[in-house]
Amino acid sequence: KQEVTQIPAALSVPEGENLVLNCSFTDSAIYNLQWFRQDPGKGLTSLLLIQSSQREQTSGRLNASLDKSSGRSTLYIAASQPGDSATYLCAVPNYGGSQGNLIFGKGTKLSVKP
Amino acid sequence: EPEVTQTPSHQVTQMGQEVILRCVPISNHLYFYWYRQILGQKVEFLVSFYNNEISEKSEIFDDQFSVERPDGSNFTLKIRSTKLEDSAMYFCASSELEHLNDFGPGTRLLVL
Repeated sequence: KQEVTQIPAALSVPEGENLVLNCSFTDSAIYNLQWFRQDPGKGLTSLLLIQSSQREQTSGRLNASLDKSSGRSTLYIAASQPGDSATYLCAVPNYGGSQGNLIFGKGTKLSVKP
Repeated sequence: EPEVTQTPSHQVTQMGQEVILRCVPISNHLYFYWYRQILGQKVEFLVSFYNNEISEKSEIFDDQFSVERPDGSNFTLKIRSTKLEDSAMYFCASSELEHLNDFGPGTRLLVL
C-alpha cells in the first residue's frame, strides 16, 4: 500500500532564504507526483505536477524534482517570502486507481519570517 | 479565473442527522471528487465521479455516503446519518482531464 511521508512537519525560515521540502513514497510505481499548497481555512492549490518520466518541473521560484527509483521528491523554494507561508503537500495517484485518487502526505507547514 | 465553490463553508449538526454538502465544479470539467481532512490528519480520497456515476470510491465511502449530480452544475455529498468521526473538512474537486488540479475551499463539518 502506497504511503507518502513529508519531512519536516514544520519549518521556519527568515525571508530570503532558499529552502527544500522533502517528500518520500514507498511504491515507486507512480503515474506522477504533485505538490500542492494549502492556506489555512482554504482549499488546495496545485503548484507543480511531475510526470513519472520527468526529473523536474519549474514554476517561477519553485522547482520540484522527482527520483522515482529512490521514492523521493523535493520542492525547492528560492528566495522565500512571507507570502510563501502555508502548508505544502505532496501527493501521488493511487496506482491502479484513477489519477484523481490521490494519496497525500501530511504536509510541511512553512513559516517565512519577515 | 473559474473556481470550484462549496456551500456551506461551515456546518454544525447533531449525530444521526443527515447532511448535504454542495459543490459547484468548474463548468467544463468532467471529473468530480470528494476528499476529506480530519483535523491534523492527511487529506483522504473519498470518491470520484465521471459520466454520471461513481468511478471509484475508498473504503471510507461506505453506505452512509452518497453523491449526486442533480443538475448540470451541482455536485453533492450526502452523509445519511452522521457520526462524531465524520467531523472533518470536506473538499470538492474537479478536473477537465484525469489530473486533479482544482479544489474548492472546503466545508468544515462538525458533528456534535
